[in-house]
Amino acid sequence: DADVTQTPRNRITKTGKRIMLECSQTKGHDRMYWYRQDPGLGLRLIYYSFDVKDINKGEISDGYSVSRQAQAKFSLSLESAIPNQTALYFCATEGARAGATEAFFGQGTRLTVV
Amino acid sequence: AQSVTQLGSHVSVSEGALVLLRCNYSSSVPPYLFWYVQYPNQGLQLLLKYTTGATLVKGINGFEAEFKKSETSFHLTKPSAHMSDAAEYFCAVRVTGANNLFFGTGTRLTVIP
Repeated sequence: DADVTQTPRNRITKTGKRIMLECSQTKGHDRMYWYRQDPGLGLRLIYYSFDVKDINKGEISDGYSVSRQAQAKFSLSLESAIPNQTALYFCATEGARAGATEAFFGQGTRLTVV
Repeated sequence: AQSVTQLGSHVSVSEGALVLLRCNYSSSVPPYLFWYVQYPNQGLQLLLKYTTGATLVKGINGFEAEFKKSETSFHLTKPSAHMSDAAEYFCAVRVTGANNLFFGTGTRLTVIP
């Protein structure tokens, strides 16, 4: 099993619908992140969490919300999806000493908003 | 503020040729530097990282990168490209105390048989 698991892997949804992307990890890491990948733009940070009671906005949080249900679970929600949220979404985790440690990524969720 | 610039969104090399992917960073303090690789339909995985110490860093699959402070660069190289190296490569930077990685825009490597 993968260390960082994202569900679903692919999703097509309609404009205005609410959708949740889920991420779970078996690394035992406290730090979890949601990134969005768009062609030519690299990865941009949406939200991050350093423990269950900690939620922080990233670079592009507008239109998104998150929930840290447990140390191992971090969900991303689009309250009312719009077409420009069509992208590849990645969840990532890091250990507590995040400065020099590597991030572990899920396989991504490809979201299409029509 | 920190930022990462990857020159060349697409790079093509022949099989067996040298691979050179460029990365320059902007940071007011010495950063931690990373190269990640993304194979088709997969997440990112770490190729190599520079934290402190030796400036020439060796990674997986024969890749290496050299941290050059004077040039604010961290270019990725591999002496001989293999077909399996075809992927997208991301340079990333984090400064001490920062909460997350900052990624470059990525370079897609194509290997021509």
